[in-house]
Amino acid sequence: EAQVTQNPRYLITVTGKKLTVTCSQNMNHEYMSWYRQDPGLGLRQIYYSMNVEVTDKGDVPEGYKVSRKEKRNFPLILESPSPNQTSLYFCASSSQGSYGYTFGSGTRLTVV
Amino acid sequence: AQTVTQSQPEMSVQEAETVTLSCTYDTSENNYYLFWYKQPPSRQMILVIRQEAYKQQNATENRFSVNFQKAAKSFSLKISDSQLGDTAMYFCAFMMPGTASKLTFGTGTRLQVTL
Repeated sequence: EAQVTQNPRYLITVTGKKLTVTCSQNMNHEYMSWYRQDPGLGLRQIYYSMNVEVTDKGDVPEGYKVSRKEKRNFPLILESPSPNQTSLYFCASSSQGSYGYTFGSGTRLTVV
Repeated sequence: AQTVTQSQPEMSVQEAETVTLSCTYDTSENNYYLFWYKQPPSRQMILVIRQEAYKQQNATENRFSVNFQKAAKSFSLKISDSQLGDTAMYFCAFMMPGTASKLTFGTGTRLQVTL
């Protein structure tokens, strides 16, 4: 089944404790993105990648890192999480963005 | 920068009725793509419909159709014969070609389908 797999689905952590949210797609897509969803703000792009080793900042990149060492994987790293990073996070991929993105099932992150 | 506005935070419709969700956007470009995504309580993001700006014909997918008014920069979603399973948050999104496929989302409209 073609899909984008994110893990974990839920995560509660403490301020400053480094964490990684994994994302993997099995569709051989070139494009991958991370979004965060907050009430009243919709979804905002954090980082994106056009291919292996090619990444760039989106609209809200502060406090996040990404890497794209393999085409299928695009992990999101929070080096020192803070409470304002409490949010719902989505990973998404696309073969050609204009056809729309396939989204993962989301990661609900709470930083206390 | 492009912006997407959804002015209806919440809407309600009775089962089997028709409802229209509004979306406007701001861009100076001529070629772009527009999308509607559905987010049910399961929180999964599901692509509902897609429109290419250079195509005048409105896109249709079963009970879902759009009214694309390019000059007015309007992209509304019409759901016909509403079903309980249509209850969800609906997001309008905009994309420019060649910009690493960044989707710009509106703030969403929560649709409740009632009996």
